[in-house]
Amino acid sequence: GEDVEQSLFLSVREGDSSVINCTYTDSSSTYLYWYKQEPGAGLQLLTYIFSNMDMKQDQRLTVLLNKKDKHLSLRIADTQTGDSAIYFCAESKEGGATNKLIFGTGTLLAVQP
Amino acid sequence: DSGVTQTPKHLITATGQRVTLRCSPRSGDLSVYWYQQSLDQGLQFLIQYYNGEERAKGNILERFSAQQFPDLHSELNLSSLELGDSALYFCASSVGTGPYEQYFGPGTRLTVT
Repeated sequence: GEDVEQSLFLSVREGDSSVINCTYTDSSSTYLYWYKQEPGAGLQLLTYIFSNMDMKQDQRLTVLLNKKDKHLSLRIADTQTGDSAIYFCAESKEGGATNKLIFGTGTLLAVQP
Repeated sequence: DSGVTQTPKHLITATGQRVTLRCSPRSGDLSVYWYQQSLDQGLQFLIQYYNGEERAKGNILERFSAQQFPDLHSELNLSSLELGDSALYFCASSVGTGPYEQYFGPGTRLTVT
């Protein structure tokens, strides 16, 4: 089945690391994405990882994938107040006629100065 | 700026009415996806078009329809509107139908009164 879950809220202090977690149930998912949504704005693609990878690093962002546990995480190093937003993980599958994204519930990240 | 444009930004209309939302994909992208974001349903895939043809349908109501034109812009038509249709409607585009990155527009906020 298709179900993606995230914790609803995370609060961190500026300068600390943030870790946002996501679990998915469809083991055939082959691509996993992280999107950021700021208030009143659209979704900004942050990064993505293929299911044959365990880790991907992109500047302050580190994505970890545990396929066995169907667990995905996004670590933001040196979190800034500008990182305050809702973060969505999403999954899709390779092959077939579509690449529709199945989104998680979103995690609100609040960064305290 | 993702390169995906959506108009209008806000739309307020009454129950029973019909509206059209418009999306222009990024230059070179052939696929257009429509998503609905609401408080109770979260982010849900509605429909996908690729190079003018419908590719996949998600949780799209029969009162809703879409099309993609030869210039690749897309329109989402919502008719017999109900209060529960109030939501943010996002358009996303990608190069093809495979697991390519999807880039989202700023969304259209629909309020049905």
